[in-house]
Amino acid sequence: DTGVSQDPRHKITKRGQNVTFRCDPISEHNRLYWYRQTLGQGPEFLTYFQNEAQLEKSRLLSDRFSAERPKGSFSTLEIQRTEQGDSAMYLCASSPLRGALSLGTQYFGPGTRLTVL
Amino acid sequence: AQSVTQPDIHITVSEGASLELRCNYSYGATPYLFWYVQSPGQGLQLLLKYFSGDTLVQGIKGFEAEFKRSQSSFNLRKPSVHWSDAAEYFCAVGPNAGGTSYGKLTFGQGTILTVHP
Repeated sequence: DTGVSQDPRHKITKRGQNVTFRCDPISEHNRLYWYRQTLGQGPEFLTYFQNEAQLEKSRLLSDRFSAERPKGSFSTLEIQRTEQGDSAMYLCASSPLRGALSLGTQYFGPGTRLTVL
Repeated sequence: AQSVTQPDIHITVSEGASLELRCNYSYGATPYLFWYVQSPGQGLQLLLKYFSGDTLVQGIKGFEAEFKRSQSSFNLRKPSVHWSDAAEYFCAVGPNAGGTSYGKLTFGQGTILTVHP
């Protein structure tokens, strides 16, 4: 179990640029979640996948945001035409569908910190 | 809509003292409750969770939490705090369907713990 990994850990970009983040979940975890955390706040849900299917999207996820999980393994989160308000920590989590002890538990990655100048 | 309130934004304790962090939730059905800890610039680490059974749950690092349905609370406790416990603590609630949880977690805004030597 190598844990959830995210890449890059830090990203600095200029307003208007596009950025893409990657999340690799724990192997065999069917569910993958994206959250956004701004300074002084708790994480806020963005979207989640079960295998390849995107099952829920928050209203926070404007049309500039898109997430994919094409093969049911890693996921990408793309932000187009970034704005200064997009500056935040983007957290990825995964959870298993089976396994009594870990059922329902979301395991978080280290996050990608985005700064939009 | 589900919500989580952590009334204390910042708590300071002396090393060796006891600790209690408060969490109140609002949820229409049986909740799945979590406490996570986050060190600066890092992702979230699960401390403990509750979904059914004994209302006093034990977690890692000597933490425990008690679920009180009548008070809609899930307070985190530790009998003796160590300097390494200094971090930010988040309470979260998710849907509970027969012991499994699916979909998003809703987080409180967090409590920052400072430990004095």
